[in-house]
Amino acid sequence: DIQMTQSPSSLSASVGDRVTITCRASQGISNYLAWYQQKPGKVPNLLIYGAYTLQSGVPSRFSGSGSGTDFTLTISSLQPEDVATYYCQRYNSAPFTFGPGTKVDIK
Amino acid sequence: EVQLLESGGGLVQPGGSLRLSCAASGFMFSSYAMTWVRQAPGKGLEWVSGISNSGGSTYYADSVKGRFTISRDNSKNTLSLQMNSLRAGDTAVYYCAKDRWGHSSSCDSWGQGTLVTVSS
Repeated sequence: DIQMTQSPSSLSASVGDRVTITCRASQGISNYLAWYQQKPGKVPNLLIYGAYTLQSGVPSRFSGSGSGTDFTLTISSLQPEDVATYYCQRYNSAPFTFGPGTKVDIK
Repeated sequence: EVQLLESGGGLVQPGGSLRLSCAASGFMFSSYAMTWVRQAPGKGLEWVSGISNSGGSTYYADSVKGRFTISRDNSKNTLSLQMNSLRAGDTAVYYCAKDRWGHSSSCDSWGQGTLVTVSS
C-alpha cells in the first residue's frame, strides 16, 4: 500500500506568518490528494481536493500545490482560528490513507 | 443542509460484534459514495471503509478486512458498518462521511461520530 507522511509533525507560528505543511506519498498519486482541518474537539473539515482546488467556503489564505509524490498546504497568513491538526489524504486507490497529521498552534 | 447522524456505538467485549448506522439527509444519498473514518482517542484519522453510490463497489482498510462489512440502503438513506471480531485496537470514534461524488474520493461532509469502546 502507498504510505503517506507529513512534515513537520507540529509547528508553532505567529499570527500573520506564512505556514507550509508538506505531505509525501511513497508512490505517485497524480493529484488525488485532499487536505483536511480538524480543530480541537471538532469533526474534520475538507479544505482542498485534487491537490489544489479549494473547497467551497474555505478562506482563500489556504492553498494547495503539488502532484505525483510531493504536496504542500500553505496558509498565507496564519490566523488564531487556524489552530488545528491538518491531515492529507490520498484517494487514487483503496485504501484511501490519511497522513499522520500536523498540529499547528500559535506562538 | 447535509446531515449525517451516526448511531450504534457503545461498549462491547473483545470478540464481539456491533453494527453502526448513519442516517443521511439533505442530499441525494443515492448519488454519492460514502465512507467510514475512525479516530482512536488522541490519535489521527484512519480511513476504514468506503462504498460507491450504487453499493456495487466496496473498499476496506487492511486492518478491518474480513471483519467489517460496509453496506447501504439507498431506499432508506442509510449507511451501515457491521463490525465483527472486535479488538481493543478498534476502540475509536467512528465518523460517517459523504464523498464528493459517486465513487470514493475526498469527503466533504462528516457526522459527529459515534464512540465504539472494545474492552472487557
